[in-house]
Amino acid sequence: QVQLVQSGVEVKKPGSSVKVSCKASGGTFNSYIISWVRQAPGQGLEWMGRIIPIFGTGNYAQKFQGRVTISADESKTTVYMELSSLRSDDTAVYYCARDMGGVVPAGWFDPWGQGTLVTVSS
Amino acid sequence: QSVLTQPPSVSGAPGQRVTISCTGSSSNIGAGYDVHWYQHLPGTAPKLLIYANTNRPSGVPDRFSGSKSGTSASLAITGLQAEDEADYYCQSYDNSLSGSVFGGGTKLTVL
Repeated sequence: QVQLVQSGVEVKKPGSSVKVSCKASGGTFNSYIISWVRQAPGQGLEWMGRIIPIFGTGNYAQKFQGRVTISADESKTTVYMELSSLRSDDTAVYYCARDMGGVVPAGWFDPWGQGTLVTVSS
Repeated sequence: QSVLTQPPSVSGAPGQRVTISCTGSSSNIGAGYDVHWYQHLPGTAPKLLIYANTNRPSGVPDRFSGSKSGTSASLAITGLQAEDEADYYCQSYDNSLSGSVFGGGTKLTVL
């Protein structure tokens, strides 16, 4: 059974970057696809992008193109999401989740990591 | 403005049945892409309720069911219980955005 454990709370200044990790256990890392989803305060869920570790490159939601980078380290069975040029409206809980889609991200997400709160404030 | 439209809130008394709609368009649900549903309680990770329109993961009670028709999908919850009070989200793929999309979420209140 796949389990995803994320890194802890982050507090960042506007304009800086944040890198959140998601460590996977309980399966074959390279067989996973991992997506990142965020939820800002009082808002709904928002898909940010995904990575297929065996391919090594991410694909991203149009809204985050150029600001987000999703990467994977097979040796650590860990996926990373880095968001740059942070703004106050990037304050959110960021989740990683196993993405059950294929080449087209049309699948469901299960399981999810516990979430990482990122606060952007001066 | 979410690509998939859900009612902001629904409510029902214990034991009753409620449905939550998820309306999309020809670039997502109407294009044949599957719809998935999640239950989200504050402070916890979202939980998969229904995948591929009608399928329940093991451990999800059969009080929860999903359906899809045309450009819309629905989640039905029968025999409402106090523990069902949560936010519910639908999710699909949109080929004009080339990415996964969520509905805006529906808050279920058990009266």
